[in-house]
Amino acid sequence: AQKVTQAQTEISVVEKEDVTLDCVYETRDTTYYLFWYKQPPSGELVFLIRRNSFDEQNEISGRYSWNFQKSTSSFNFTITASQVVDSAVYFCALIGSGTYKYIFGTGTRLKVLA
Amino acid sequence: GAVVSQHPSRVICKSGTSVKIECRSLDFQATTMFWYRQFPKQSLMLMATSNEGSKATYEQGVEKDKFLINHASLTLSTLTVTSAHPEDSSFYICSARDQGRGGPSYNEQFFGPGTRLTVL
Repeated sequence: AQKVTQAQTEISVVEKEDVTLDCVYETRDTTYYLFWYKQPPSGELVFLIRRNSFDEQNEISGRYSWNFQKSTSSFNFTITASQVVDSAVYFCALIGSGTYKYIFGTGTRLKVLA
Repeated sequence: GAVVSQHPSRVICKSGTSVKIECRSLDFQATTMFWYRQFPKQSLMLMATSNEGSKATYEQGVEKDKFLINHASLTLSTLTVTSAHPEDSSFYICSARDQGRGGPSYNEQFFGPGTRLTVL
């Protein structure tokens, strides 16, 4: 069975703090894809990153960085120097090989306080 | 590229009426589209997979006669909530696969902005 766990339901930080959102996944597939999406209050899902199972390189994009570790089945997301505009719900998702269906985590609500 | 639109963005209707939501892939063809439902403070729940030219595949527990899906063209899928009731109030999101893509993007879904349905 495939599963995505986001154990942090809600996180509150003060602006300029760094914050890490955890994502742990389960799959028996050797080929799979992991995603992070941001859902601001407007509701639209905003794509942040896609990572395939063969690419364990960490990635940095501005204030965002991602740490993919197959050994621990984790794909964690860090926001550096958080801003109020980062306040949103963040979803981690998995697609296994041979399927089109996303397996979404339950989401982590991030509140960045001014 | 890979833009998906939904219409309307918000709809309020009376109990017992039917509501149609459109999902369009604007710059690509999509043989497969997906419909999700999201309750407040919850994750997305896949309702059905919409296949162009054939019947939709519904997830377990989703009423086919309640949520009618039509995927008549490669760029349009519609979800009709029939005889809507207050418990159908929710945020509905569609997504689409770009069949023209290969490589790592092959299975990726592109999401529409969502439709907020309120049934009074």
